[in-house]
Formats: sequence, structure tokens, C-alpha cells
Amino acid sequence: AQSVTQLDSQVPVFEEAPVELRCNYSSSVSVYLFWYVQYPNQGLQLLLKYLSGSTLVKGINGFEAEFNKSQTSFHLRKPSVHISDTAEYFCAGAIQGAQKLVFGQGTRLTINP
Amino acid sequence: KAGVTQTPRYLIKTRGQQVTLSCSPISGHRSVSWYQQTPGQGLQFLFEYFSETQRNKGNFPGRFSGRQFSNSRSEMNVSTLELGDSALYLCASSLGGTITGELFFGEGSRLTVL
Repeated sequence: AQSVTQLDSQVPVFEEAPVELRCNYSSSVSVYLFWYVQYPNQGLQLLLKYLSGSTLVKGINGFEAEFNKSQTSFHLRKPSVHISDTAEYFCAGAIQGAQKLVFGQGTRLTINP
Repeated sequence: KAGVTQTPRYLIKTRGQQVTLSCSPISGHRSVSWYQQTPGQGLQFLFEYFSETQRNKGNFPGRFSGRQFSNSRSEMNVSTLELGDSALYLCASSLGGTITGELFFGEGSRLTVL
């Protein structure tokens, strides 16, 4: 069965430091991968997605993610975070042909000044 | 253009009651999906509708149901509410072609069951 695992429930970092949020997936079929962000009291917003092609995907707000098939990972990175990046981040996957997303448990990113 | 609108934003019910939540998708979007978000279980897929037909369903009991109207607006209903149904219910719309398209989420309806 398709599943998505986010390895860290919380990640605290200092402002302007780099950050990596980890995500692993399991699937025996072709997979599409996404990162969504949820700011307090809001719905989810798409940061970036991997469907095929280049394994390095660039998204909004300076985020990028790298698809690694051999390690079944799709980690999210940002070279320098800002206070405004404080939010919960969700990795999600979909199986080709299935009209639904499977979400990871989420990683709460806290930025300290 | 207007985003996904969910109503009501907050509601309180008691055990045994039923509730109906509404979702108006972005204009032109034909697919509407529903997710339940709780601190313990995270985000779980409930069901997805496309052109008034349920295309996918998650692993929820039959107390959870939904429908979609000809204008793509969707409702979900939960009958015989239980304490564990307390959650944020999120609706997402998309053009509806395939899952490769972006999902646009509403701000959610927060249900509290007492």
C-alpha cells in the first residue's frame, strides 16, 4: 500500500539557517509526490510537486525538493529560512490512476529569531 | 478569482446529532475532495467527487457520506456523531483531470463534538 512517512514531527531552526524536512515514501508503482504547507488557521497550499523528469524540483517561497528513487525519499529544503516560514509542512503521495492523496503526519517548522 | 469556500467555519454538536458541511469549489473546478485532519491521525482522505459522481472513497464508516451538485458544490454529512469525529474537515478542489493537478484547499470547517 502507498504510504508516506515524515521522519520529524517538529524541526526548530534559527532564522536564516538552512533547513531540511524529510519525507520517505513506499510504493511499488509510479508515484507522484507533493509538499504542502499549512499556516495557522488556514488550509493547505501547494509548495511544489514531482511528477516526472528532473529530480530537483523548485517551488514557491524559495523551497526545493529532490526526488531520490533509490532511497525512496523526497526531502524538502530551503537554504535560508525566515520567521514567515513557521508553519506545518505535509508531504503527500499519489498512485497513478488513484484520485486521492496520502499525506504524511506533518512536520511543524519553528523558526527562532 | 475566489478560492475554495467552506461553511460553516466552526460548529459545535453533541453526540448522536448529525452535521452537514458545505464546500464551494473554485469556479470551473469539477473535482472536490474531502479530508479529515486530527492531531492523532493527521490528514485522512474521505472521498472525492467529480461531475456529481463519487470517484474514490477512503476508509471511513458509512456514517460519513457526501454528494456533489451540478454546479460542483459539495456537501458532506456525518450522522450519529461520535466524540472522535471532532476534527478539522478540509475540502479541496481541482480541475479534476488527474491527481497530478494541484489541489486547492479551503480553510476548513472545525467540528467539535461534545
